[in-house]
Amino acid sequence: NAGVTQTPKFQVLKTGQSMTLQCAQDMNHEYMSWYRQDPGMGLRLIHYSVGAGITDQGEVPNGYNVSRSTTEDFPLRLLSAAPSQTSVYFCASSRRQGAGEQFFGPGTRLTVL
Amino acid sequence: QQPVQSPQAVILREGEDAVINCSSSKALYSVHWYRQKHGEAPVFLMILLKGGEQKGHEKISASFNEKKQQSSLYLTASQLSYSGTYFCGTGAQKLVFGQGTRLTINP
Repeated sequence: NAGVTQTPKFQVLKTGQSMTLQCAQDMNHEYMSWYRQDPGMGLRLIHYSVGAGITDQGEVPNGYNVSRSTTEDFPLRLLSAAPSQTSVYFCASSRRQGAGEQFFGPGTRLTVL
Repeated sequence: QQPVQSPQAVILREGEDAVINCSSSKALYSVHWYRQKHGEAPVFLMILLKGGEQKGHEKISASFNEKKQQSSLYLTASQLSYSGTYFCGTGAQKLVFGQGTRLTINP
C-alpha cells in the first residue's frame, strides 16, 4: 500500500494563479480531509469529506474548493492564489470519521509570490 | 473550535518526564494525539474515547476526562526520539487540532 500520496511536493505560484493539489489514498478510507499548517498555528482544517460525493467546510475554507468523485481521490483547488495561502498542505484519510486514526500524506509546500 | 494545548513548549533532559494538556470548551467524545517531527507529516499516537480510559504507547500514555473536557499526554523517562511537536485533536464530525506543543529533549 502506498498509503496517502500528495502531489506536487513543492509549488511556487504567482498571485492570482489557480492550481490543484492532488491527494490519493489506496486504503479504501471513507473519510478524507485537507489541513494547512502555518508556523505557530497548528493544523487547521480546510475541507473534509465523509464519502464520495459528500464534502463540507472546515475551519478555514475560504479560497479553496474540493470535490470527491471517487473514494480514492480528494483534490484541493486554489481558485485565485494569494500570498496568505503560502503554507504547507496536508491531506489525511481515515477509515472512520471522528474515532478513526488519521493517516497523513507527506505534504505539499506551497509558496505564493 | 480549536482545543487549547499547554504548555506551548517544553525543554527536557533525556530521562525526565513531561505532561502536555489539552482542553476544550465543547463536550468531548474522543481525543486524538499525534506527534510531528520537523519537516515530516504528523503521525498517530493514540485515540481516547469517552469513558475516562487511559491508553499507552511505549512510555507515552494519556488520560481523558470528559467531564472536565480535558486530556493529558504523559511522557515518561523521555528519550531523544520523543522530540517533536505534539498535537491533540477533537471532534466527531470535523477533527480539529490544537496549536501544538513543541517538545525538545536534550542529552
